[in-house]
Amino acid sequence: QVQLVQSGAEVKKPGASVKVSCKTSGYTFIGYPMYWVRQAPGQGLDWMGWINPNTGATYYVQKFEGRVTMTRDTSSDTAYMELSSLTSDDTAVYYCSLILPSDYWGQGTLVIVSS
Amino acid sequence: DIQMTQSPSSLSANVGDRVSITCRASQGIRKDLGWYQQKPGQAPKRLIYSATNLQGGAPSRFSGSISGADFILTISSLQPEDVATYYCLQHNSYPYTFGQGTKLEIK
Repeated sequence: QVQLVQSGAEVKKPGASVKVSCKTSGYTFIGYPMYWVRQAPGQGLDWMGWINPNTGATYYVQKFEGRVTMTRDTSSDTAYMELSSLTSDDTAVYYCSLILPSDYWGQGTLVIVSS
Repeated sequence: DIQMTQSPSSLSANVGDRVSITCRASQGIRKDLGWYQQKPGQAPKRLIYSATNLQGGAPSRFSGSISGADFILTISSLQPEDVATYYCLQHNSYPYTFGQGTKLEIK
């Protein structure tokens, strides 16, 4: 069965970077775009962008442009999302997901940004 | 960017009630819309895809419809396990955008 297993919670200081991993199994990794969504505490869902695991092509939402980097490792079927220059506003749960055409989500990774 | 205006932001209803949640897109999105249910501490789960199609495994009391520019999620008979926050997501054009969410509670 399809599984997306994300890395564990992180606590970072303002200005630092965080890299979240999403290890996949149960499907052809390079066949489907991987999407990243975040959710600040008590807030709604915020779509961040996607990566095409086959080509490495990416799309980033403009508000994250310059701070976010999505990559993949096809040898381990793992996707990554790195966010830099962290502020307290980046405190959130970050999800990897296969939302098109199917619907599979990772368990979420809590990133806390605090001095 | 396409704005998805979701209403209401919260809703309280009785078990067995018929409830509806609406998303209006700021421009045409064809049927490129999904409805998601999110329970506390869990990842979202899609209930409806392509605006009107029931996701495999989703209870049949959930349905999606279109009325003009409005996309509607309807629960035909509210159950206690439906307590959750519901979101729409348009995937017609980048950036994909979610509605603001509707928190559904039982009276």
